Amino acid sequence: SQTIHQWPATLVQPVGSPLSLECTVEGTSNPNLYWYRQAAGRGLQLLFYSVGIGQISSEVPQNLSASRPQDRQFILSSKKLLLSDSGFYLCAWSVPPPGGQAFSYEQYFGPGTRLTVT
Amino acid sequence: AQSVTQLGSHVSVSEGALVLLRCNYSSSVPPYLFWYVQYPNQGLQLLLKYTSAATLVKGINGFEAEFKKSETSFHLTKPSAHMSDAAEYFCAVSGLYSSASKIIFGSGTRLSIRP
Repeated sequence: SQTIHQWPATLVQPVGSPLSLECTVEGTSNPNLYWYRQAAGRGLQLLFYSVGIGQISSEVPQNLSASRPQDRQFILSSKKLLLSDSGFYLCAWSVPPPGGQAFSYEQYFGPGTRLTVT
Repeated sequence: AQSVTQLGSHVSVSEGALVLLRCNYSSSVPPYLFWYVQYPNQGLQLLLKYTSAATLVKGINGFEAEFKKSETSFHLTKPSAHMSDAAEYFCAVSGLYSSASKIIFGSGTRLSIRP
């Protein structure tokens, strides 16, 4: 069966410090990978998604970046954190739809990372 | 472009009462539809999904949802609420995009259960 891991589970960082959040998936190959953020009391905001190694699509311009150095590894980074970067960060994966299919399959989420920028 | 609207950011029901969480979507063709549940400080868990097979979909924890194309709705129901159902619920839609890699989430409905 497939599992998805995120670490760290919680993180408290000062403004201006760097950030690195990691997500790994086990039990599947060539998944689509996603990073979401939930601000307090808000819904899900898609930040980045990736359909393959080195392929990153950005949804929201900001001071965050993402990388996919390996097939099942997805990293979210920042060089300098802002107060507004605080939130709950979720990684997710899905099976890529077959070629020519326009519908995306369901996504499976990790346990999340709670980031507090002070 | 697809969108999904969840009516009611907060729903409160008594334990044992019917749970009804509303979701409407906009799509030019019948999409794939999903319901997720999120407990505090946890990731989202898939409750159920509609992928153009049976219109009445049964999920985990006694939840079910019915796809109604004429009403563009996919409401989530449970006959008898349990205290453990208290959580945030998200409806999501997958459809025709320039990229076939994304699904769109609603803003969520917080379900509270009164003893």
